[in-house]
Amino acid sequence: QSILTQPPSMSGAPGQRVTISCTGNTSNIGAGSDVHWYQQLPGTAPKLLIYDNNNRPSGVPDRFSGSKSGTSASLAITGLQPEDEADYYCQSYDSSLRGSKVFGGGTRLTVL
Amino acid sequence: EVQLVESGGGLVQPGRSLRLSCVASGFRFDEYSMHWVRQAPGKGLEWVSGISWNSGSVAYADSVKGRFTISRDNAKRSLYLQMTSLRVDDMALYYCTKGGYFDWFLQTDPFYNWGQGTMVTVSS
Repeated sequence: QSILTQPPSMSGAPGQRVTISCTGNTSNIGAGSDVHWYQQLPGTAPKLLIYDNNNRPSGVPDRFSGSKSGTSASLAITGLQPEDEADYYCQSYDSSLRGSKVFGGGTRLTVL
Repeated sequence: EVQLVESGGGLVQPGRSLRLSCVASGFRFDEYSMHWVRQAPGKGLEWVSGISWNSGSVAYADSVKGRFTISRDNAKRSLYLQMTSLRVDDMALYYCTKGGYFDWFLQTDPFYNWGQGTMVTVSS
């Protein structure tokens, strides 16, 4: 059971908009800890997609955006493309776990 | 270009030890914290351990505390993970990741870059 909760799977058609949620509590996201998102394409290492809630590293398309509110965060993907089919993970810091970075369980996104 | 190349994985019996290594290039290694993150087969990501740029601060997940030791050699641009008393549930792909710039607290920065991982298999 992950500290951060994500839907196990989501799907969308090309061109659509999907939003992946990441729900925490008052020890992590709700305590003000930043949320980061990673994309893991099949058979590859994860890649940083969004950092500090809503910032994109260089090279990440602006179709990807992040937001945070209260004890939750979201990753939005607009104009869904076949190459977006991947696993997506949120990550934050939890103050109740004696200095532990924590991940969500991951969301497998399928592009129909 | 940032490159992180892990090595040292393999098949090991429960209770034995293994040492992972990661060689970094493409950035000022001695200015960044470094971390190990693992992924069990078919499962999600789990942070394992982190170390500050000068080795003055280290942190471990509860699941490995007392069994794993993280270290680094800035002159060799290398990160290490000494794993002892290995258990079946330690079996995973271990990723070397680059953390924050002069990050002491090892708390808020993301994992900016990732290696391709080295597989650790624990089985009798």
